[in-house]
Amino acid sequence: AQTVTQSQPEMSVQEAETVTLSCTYDTSESDYYLFWYKQPPSRQMILVIRQEAYKQQNATENRFSVNFQKAAKSFSLKISDSQLGDAAMYFCAYRTIQGAQKLVFGQGTRLTINP
Amino acid sequence: NAGVMQNPRHLVRRRGQEARLRCSPMKGHSHVYWYRQLPEEGLKFMVYLQKENIIDESGMPKERFSAEFPKEGPSILRIQQVVRGDSAAYFCASSPPGGRPNTEAFFGQGTRLTVV
Repeated sequence: AQTVTQSQPEMSVQEAETVTLSCTYDTSESDYYLFWYKQPPSRQMILVIRQEAYKQQNATENRFSVNFQKAAKSFSLKISDSQLGDAAMYFCAYRTIQGAQKLVFGQGTRLTINP
Repeated sequence: NAGVMQNPRHLVRRRGQEARLRCSPMKGHSHVYWYRQLPEEGLKFMVYLQKENIIDESGMPKERFSAEFPKEGPSILRIQQVVRGDSAAYFCASSPPGGRPNTEAFFGQGTRLTVV
């Protein structure tokens, strides 16, 4: 079974600075998908960025980018120019291409932005 | 196009009562997933349904929990004889038929169940 580990329960960053959230995963599959979700206090799960394992190029979405290291099974999220609205819980998730294609989530990292 | 609708947003039940959580997927979506989030934890998969069929219920507790997605109407997650340990946020996500795994799963805002 796949597992996802986020080793940083909490992180904080100064507004306008850059922060990196860590995520590692374990799988025996060669093709899969990885996601970062943001969960603000409203509880709404918001997709931040996605990465397809067969693509070597790291995904980027405006201020958000990932460092995908397939051999190391690492998938970190970098947030540049942090804004107050980025404060939230961030979850890394793995999605298999087989069967139910369910999401396997990490434990989450609570990100605080200091003004 | 309305998003995934879950109701109620908050539900309080006494121990031993039944809880019914509803999820209306996005229009055109026929795949529904239920996840549970315990306090300070990530979401855990419970069950995956397509219209009138349970496809994968490997994350469902063996007793007291059931789910359905009828041909007409919302998907229902039912918890019978609730206990304090059932207190959690329950999320529903939907995706379209034939969706690729990189397709975004659209989440509802969740139902927070509190058992007193």
